[in-house]
Order: sequence, then structure tokens, then C-alpha cells
Amino acid sequence: AQKVTQAQTEISVVEKEDVTLDCVYETRDTTYYLFWYKQPPSGELVFLIRRNSFDEQNEISGRYSWNFQKSTSSFNFTITASQVVDSAVYFCASKAVYNQGGKLIFGQGTELSVKP
Amino acid sequence: KAGVTQTPRYLIKTRGQQVTLSCSPISGHRSVSWYQQTPGQGLQFLFEYFSETQRNKGNFPGRFSGRQFSNSRSEMNVSTLELGDSALYLCARPSMSEAFFGQGTRLTVV
Repeated sequence: AQKVTQAQTEISVVEKEDVTLDCVYETRDTTYYLFWYKQPPSGELVFLIRRNSFDEQNEISGRYSWNFQKSTSSFNFTITASQVVDSAVYFCASKAVYNQGGKLIFGQGTELSVKP
Repeated sequence: KAGVTQTPRYLIKTRGQQVTLSCSPISGHRSVSWYQQTPGQGLQFLFEYFSETQRNKGNFPGRFSGRQFSNSRSEMNVSTLELGDSALYLCARPSMSEAFFGQGTRLTVV
């Protein structure tokens, strides 16, 4: 069975600080996807990024970067120079590539508060 | 844009009633999945439909049911509502590699 753990329930930073959100996953699937979603107060889950299990190349996109390490089953997400608009709940999720359709397994979420 | 429209956005029901929520994915998208989000249990998968057939189901009681129509619109029904059914219900249009979500329906059971 799949499981996603986000140990940090709440993080509070001051604007312009860098912040890293941790995610640890468990899966028996050999091929899977990992995701980060952002949920602002409006409630909609906003897709941020997807990584494939066979692609450990890390990526930077603007102020966002991701660190995927299969050896430690971690998929961490970093916001550089945080802004107040980054305040939201962030969810890490996993999905098996085969046999589970579109079913996503979510972590419990990390609430990020960025203060001016 | 997510390409998923959910109605209504907010709903208040009384314990024991039933409720139907609606979700319309972008035209041509044949899959739709539903999730329940509560403070205690987080985001949990309810079920997924593909071309009007239920493809996968989460661990929820039989009071939770759904269906999908030929135009890909989906409905989720909860019968005999309980206070614990108060939640944000999110609909998504999943593909092989990602899922885009609607804004959700916030159901309050009183």
C-alpha cells in the first residue's frame, strides 16, 4: 500500500526566508508519480509539480525547487525568498502508474504561513 | 485552468437528509474522481469513474455513491447524512500522470 507522510504540520516564516517542506513516501510500486499541490484558503487544490519515479533529476522553476531522492524515499519542496502569497496548505501526493487509475494518496498537509 | 466545475460551492444539510453534489470536467475528459477532505482524516479518495463505469473505490460506507453520465458529468450522493460527513468534497479530472481539481463543495451537516 502507498503512504505519504508530511511530518511538518505547520511552518511559519518571515517574508524573503527560504522554506523547505518535507515529504516521505512509501510504496511497493516500482513505477509511480509524486506530486506537490497547493491549497489556498479558497479550497481549490492547485497542481504545482509532478515527478516520475524513474527521473531523479531535480528541478528549479522560478522560486520553487524540488529534491527527489529514491534512496531516502523523500520528495522535498523548497520555496526560495518566500512571499505572503505563498501562504497556503501544501500537500504531497503519490500515485501508482499502473492498476490504480487516477487515485492519489495524499499526505496530511503542511500549513505554511509567510508573515510580512 | 483546472477545467473542473463543481456545484454548489456551499451546502448546509440536516442530519439524516441526503445530498447530491455535481462535477463537470472539461469537455472530452472521460475520467472523474472524488475526494473527501476533513480536518481529522485529511484528503481521502472516494471513487473514480471512467466512461460511466466505476474504476476504483475508496474505503467509505455504502451511503456514499456516485455515477457518471455520458457527457462525463458526475454526481456524488450521500444518503442519511451524519455530522461527520461535514467536509470539503473535491472533484478531479485525473489523467495518467496528474490530476486537476475543482474548487470543491463545502458540505456542512447540522
